[in-house]
Amino acid sequence: DVKVTQSSRYLVKRTGEKVFLECVQDMDHENMFWYRQDPGLGLRLIYFSYDVKMKEKGDIPEGYSVSREKKERFSLILESASTNQTSMYLCASRSPGEASYEQYFGPGTRLTVT
Amino acid sequence: AQTVTQSQPEMSVQEAETVTLSCTYDTSENNYYLFWYKQPPSRQMILVIRQEAYKQQNATENRFSVNFQKAAKSFSLKISDSQLGDTAMYFCAFIHFQGAQKLVFGQGTRLTINP
Repeated sequence: DVKVTQSSRYLVKRTGEKVFLECVQDMDHENMFWYRQDPGLGLRLIYFSYDVKMKEKGDIPEGYSVSREKKERFSLILESASTNQTSMYLCASRSPGEASYEQYFGPGTRLTVT
Repeated sequence: AQTVTQSQPEMSVQEAETVTLSCTYDTSENNYYLFWYKQPPSRQMILVIRQEAYKQQNATENRFSVNFQKAAKSFSLKISDSQLGDTAMYFCAFIHFQGAQKLVFGQGTRLTINP
């Protein structure tokens, strides 16, 4: 079974702090994704990565950056956290060779910025 | 731009009843996949069912089935004999084969199955 893990289930940070959210997958997937989930808005794509050291902006990249130095790990960085970044963050991965196009999700990190 | 719309923010049914969740989408593409994902309370999002747009036959997975109307761009999920474990957020999502192959999600429907 594919396993996608995220470093924290719950996180509380102060405004202005630099925040790192970590995601690790164990299935050698090339593609990895970061979404944010907000009530009434569904999931919105922040950034994605086709492979190591490759990244592309999603629909809402402002205020975020990412890092993919190893294939299994994809980090989301909030350079200076703000209260409007309080949200649930979901990581996902998939293999582009998989015909189903299914993405496998982590358990999520609920971030609160005070 | 591709969009996915779920017009039912919340639904509630009794255990063993059948429930249908609605989803419409907008795309100019001809080849794509549609998905229903389930997110149980405090648990991981998992895939429930998928439909390839080129297939006319509606997908079925045990108690879960879809009604795919390509011309109407409609993709509803039917849950038969609902169970307490079906209580979850359900997201409709779309991906097309061209370009970045990104998933586009609807707003979600919170489904509660009552005993």
